Amino acid sequence: SAVISQKPSRDICQRGTSLTIQCQVDSQVTMMFWYRQQPGQSLTLIATANQGSEATYESGFVIDKFPISRPNLTFSTLTVSNMSPEDSSIYLCSVGGRDISYEQYFGPGTRLTVT
Amino acid sequence: RKEVEQDPGPFNVPEGATVAFNCTYSNSASQSFFWYRQDCRKEPKLLMSVYSSGNEDGRFTAQLNRASQYISLLIRDSKLSDSATYLCVVKGTGRRALTFGSGTRLQVQP
Repeated sequence: SAVISQKPSRDICQRGTSLTIQCQVDSQVTMMFWYRQQPGQSLTLIATANQGSEATYESGFVIDKFPISRPNLTFSTLTVSNMSPEDSSIYLCSVGGRDISYEQYFGPGTRLTVT
Repeated sequence: RKEVEQDPGPFNVPEGATVAFNCTYSNSASQSFFWYRQDCRKEPKLLMSVYSSGNEDGRFTAQLNRASQYISLLIRDSKLSDSATYLCVVKGTGRRALTFGSGTRLQVQP
């Protein structure tokens, strides 16, 4: 499986500000995903980060709030814009497995608290 | 109805016990199935894929029943280190992203 790192690991931010989360993979991967895990809940997909084109967002998530970049096959960023306390969550990036089995591997997550 | 449903637990079992988790999914066209394990304040980690023929990895056995749209995970001889949340995960059609159940919490007690 790929080795995935995320920065920052945690942050405390004031409402109205924005935070950019970075996800770095140690090998080239086609598929990268961004998930959110709110306290006590399971994972919800925010978007699929596509290299060379716009991200594909899930219902309830929009580009203005969660802009995503995917400049190459090893890196992606997720920005949480104009934050409110409801955005307090863990944000995780994941990458698809190398083969057709479709399993995914997750980065360690970014724990965001908005005050 | 949720796409993937799990009993949230918690399941409190003594060491050495056998415990089974169940999961149902709503999309009959779902293609791939997984169990992930998530420890407190950590990222989910793939435990095992689930195949139609069933598969076993040491103390862990996973089964899939496509007709009933039902997935199970059996853990034999539970260890303290098995304490975690177990996530049932399904891949639908047409995209590579996964849909996660809400997780079943297991607490193995000495």
